[in-house]
Amino acid sequence: GAVVSQHPSWVICKSGTSVKIECRSLDFQATTMFWYRQFPKQSLMLMATSNEGSKATYEQGVEKDKFLINHASLTLSTLTVTSAHPEDSSFYICSARDSAANTEAFFGQGTRLTVV
Amino acid sequence: GEDVEQSLFLSVREGDSSVINCTYTDSSSTYLYWYKQEPGAGLQLLTYIFSNMDMKQDQRLTVLLNKKDKHLSLRIADTQTGDSAIYFCAEGDCKNNNDMRFGAGTRLTVKP
Repeated sequence: GAVVSQHPSWVICKSGTSVKIECRSLDFQATTMFWYRQFPKQSLMLMATSNEGSKATYEQGVEKDKFLINHASLTLSTLTVTSAHPEDSSFYICSARDSAANTEAFFGQGTRLTVV
Repeated sequence: GEDVEQSLFLSVREGDSSVINCTYTDSSSTYLYWYKQEPGAGLQLLTYIFSNMDMKQDQRLTVLLNKKDKHLSLRIADTQTGDSAIYFCAEGDCKNNNDMRFGAGTRLTVKP
């Protein structure tokens, strides 16, 4: 199956730091990428959807200036948590699909962000 | 700008202790690291210390942190010839993040 690589798998940062998470599709063109976050004992919550070369579409309640998404190439999307605070500590997961080929979405391994 | 400085060379005799020093300027750094680079190899993380600690010991390695003076040191007890390498000091705001600031490295030479 297709591979989506997410990096880093975990990161611990102090408050105020901007933290960048990368999501790469290794063997297919990810025309669409999705970013989720998951709080403990809760389900995945969709944060935003991005199409390559376009601005991301954010879900209601998700601050676009806080969670910057860049999807400049067909294999890479980045999520930057700006000025991270302890309440941003969460598990962030990306998924990617080739919309042109109408394939299913494949998930990255997730990134556990802890802000101290 | 933010700098990490360390002396370029250190030479010791086998069996002696080595102390490699590092100074940094960013007082808000959260993590301070020591990396080792052997000839022809990549960087290997030796140890790190969180900024709320003064000391960390791991077998022959002792890391001392003086936050007031922004001074970090790495002491290698009973230095062996296999310890000959370049040692890099680094600082960063995160653990397991690529955004770090490195010193130029100290070349440790251990003489038999």
